Amino acid sequence: NAGVTQTPKFQVLKTGQSMTLQCAQDMNHEYMSWYRQDPGMGLRLIHYSVGAGITDQGEVPNGYNVSRSTTEDFPLRLLSAAPSQTSVYFCASSPQGMNTGELFFGEGSRLTVL
Amino acid sequence: GNSVTQMEGPVTLSEEAFLTINCTYTATGYPSLFWYVQYPGEGLQLLLKATKADDKGSNKGFEATYRKETTSFHLEKGSVQVSDSAVYFCARTTSGTYKYIFGTGTRLKVLA
Repeated sequence: NAGVTQTPKFQVLKTGQSMTLQCAQDMNHEYMSWYRQDPGMGLRLIHYSVGAGITDQGEVPNGYNVSRSTTEDFPLRLLSAAPSQTSVYFCASSPQGMNTGELFFGEGSRLTVL
Repeated sequence: GNSVTQMEGPVTLSEEAFLTINCTYTATGYPSLFWYVQYPGEGLQLLLKATKADDKGSNKGFEATYRKETTSFHLEKGSVQVSDSAVYFCARTTSGTYKYIFGTGTRLKVLA
């Protein structure tokens, strides 16, 4: 049972480059989300999705795009990376219809933008 | 607004000491409250949760009680172990949305 799988685990980019962080879950969860974790800031919500074809912005969406074409996958795209996007990124999922539900996290992707 | 405030760390304790990590929240409505734990190099995992006032969540010797009157959800453990060394996050849901709000995290270090 893989749970939530994120790739890559580590990535170094130059300013202006683009890349996609992949997230896949095999639990048939409707809700998926992306967070960034920065020292002293905790986790901040970037984007989230409550089902295939439905996405919405979180607290810090600027500079990031998402799409949700399937229940399983929720990629996060950086179109033009900036040093301020250096962070650890976590994907998390949860069963839909349970707003008391637990979030299941991936192991994280550490991104450095030079 | 909706927010979560938890005590700053790091918290350093000796093995078998009593642990309290404070967490307070502001909210409209009735959020569900959570404690997540992050071990080094890993993602967060749920430690315990409470879904309504006066509920007590418990797991692995940790417990926290949902106190509506003081808007608090403090994490406690009677006797910590070295293996409890981790970062602990308090979190809440936001009524009417699917947004979870996290505190800034408290690093716990337990010395043998």
